[in-house]
Amino acid sequence: AQKVTQAQTEISVVEKEDVTLDCVYETRDTTYYLFWYKQPPSGELVFLIRRNSFDEQNEISGRYSWNFQKSTSSFNFTITASQVVDSAVYFCALSGMNTGFQKLVFGTGTRLLVSP
Amino acid sequence: KAGVTQTPRYLIKTRGQQVTLSCSPISGHRSVSWYQQTPGQGLQFLFEYFSETQRNKGNFPGRFSGRQFSNSRSEMNVSTLELGDSALYLCASSWDRGSLNTEAFFGQGTRLTVV
Repeated sequence: AQKVTQAQTEISVVEKEDVTLDCVYETRDTTYYLFWYKQPPSGELVFLIRRNSFDEQNEISGRYSWNFQKSTSSFNFTITASQVVDSAVYFCALSGMNTGFQKLVFGTGTRLLVSP
Repeated sequence: KAGVTQTPRYLIKTRGQQVTLSCSPISGHRSVSWYQQTPGQGLQFLFEYFSETQRNKGNFPGRFSGRQFSNSRSEMNVSTLELGDSALYLCASSWDRGSLNTEAFFGQGTRLTVV
């Protein structure tokens, strides 16, 4: 079975602070994909990143960076110099070859509150 | 390029009624998936359609069904509504390059309230 755990329910930071959102996953698939999505109050899930199981290279996109470590089954997301517009719920998700690549298993989400 | 469009955005229904939700995927995307989001259960996969065929299904009762048309537009239907069906229903589309995964893009959802 596949499982995604986001232990942090809610995080509050002040603008310009760095913040890391944790994601731990479980899967028996050797080929799988990991994702991060952002859900603002409007409800739409906004795609942030996709990483496949064979690519452990960390990625940086502007203020966002992702750290993928297969050894600890983690795919953590860091926002540098947070801004008020970063306030949202962030979901980590997993899909695997055996369960279907289009079937995303989501974590419970982390609500990020960035205050000015 | 237009995003994923879901209609209606809001819906109020009475217990026992049925409801149909619509999803128009991004042009060129052939895979459409549906998810239910509730405060208690979080985001849960309902089903996925590809080229008019249901390719994958989540653990939901038979009251939840869907279909996909030749233009890739999809509908989901919930019959005999229960209070617990109140949720945000999200549709996602992806290009799907065969055995590879492509990222899914989500619509804004339909918020269904059952009273």
